[in-house]
Amino acid sequence: AQSVSQHNHHVILSEAASLELGCNYSYGGTVNLFWYVQYPGQHLQLLLKYFSGDPLVKGIKGFEAEFIKSKFSFNLRKPSVQWSDTAEYFCAAWYSSASKIIFGSGTRLSIRP
Amino acid sequence: NAGVTQTPKFQVLKTGQSMTLQCAQDMNHEYMSWYRQDPGMGLRLIHYSVGAGITDQGEVPNGYNVSRSTTEDFPLRLLSAAPSQTSVYFCASSPDRDRVGFYEQYFGPGTRLTVT
Repeated sequence: AQSVSQHNHHVILSEAASLELGCNYSYGGTVNLFWYVQYPGQHLQLLLKYFSGDPLVKGIKGFEAEFIKSKFSFNLRKPSVQWSDTAEYFCAAWYSSASKIIFGSGTRLSIRP
Repeated sequence: NAGVTQTPKFQVLKTGQSMTLQCAQDMNHEYMSWYRQDPGMGLRLIHYSVGAGITDQGEVPNGYNVSRSTTEDFPLRLLSAAPSQTSVYFCASSPDRDRVGFYEQYFGPGTRLTVT
């Protein structure tokens, strides 16, 4: 079955630290990948997406993600986090063989000022 | 555009009651979906629709019904509420049903449902 795994449930960092959140997806043919963010009290919004081409994708607010096909991974990175990055982050995958987007369980990011 | 709207924002139900969560979008999107969000489980797809008159089940459809009589509206019905349905419910839409995976999904603000 198609699935998306986020192994970090809660990450706590200090401001200016570097961030990497893991995301792995199961094999299922052609796949498009997304990272969404949910700030406290708000609805989900798109950070970045990967369809094809350059495996290093840049998104909003200084975030980037790298698609590594051999590892079925799409990790989210940011060189220097800010307190305002406190949020829950969701990795998602769209499998071309299905009409649905599968979400991971989410990673809660807390930033210490 | 108002985007994706959901009503109500909050709801408390007693076990066995039924209710409908409303979702509407004014972007002429073909694809609409319902998710529930539970701590530690992320977003799980309940039902989705690729256009008016067409719906299908997601990962956790039991206890929920949907219909899509117009492009704009996609209501979610709880037939007989149970405490296990306590959750936050999000509706989302996407422009193209054939290329859903190429577009961002636009989410509504959510409905927080408590079943006692």
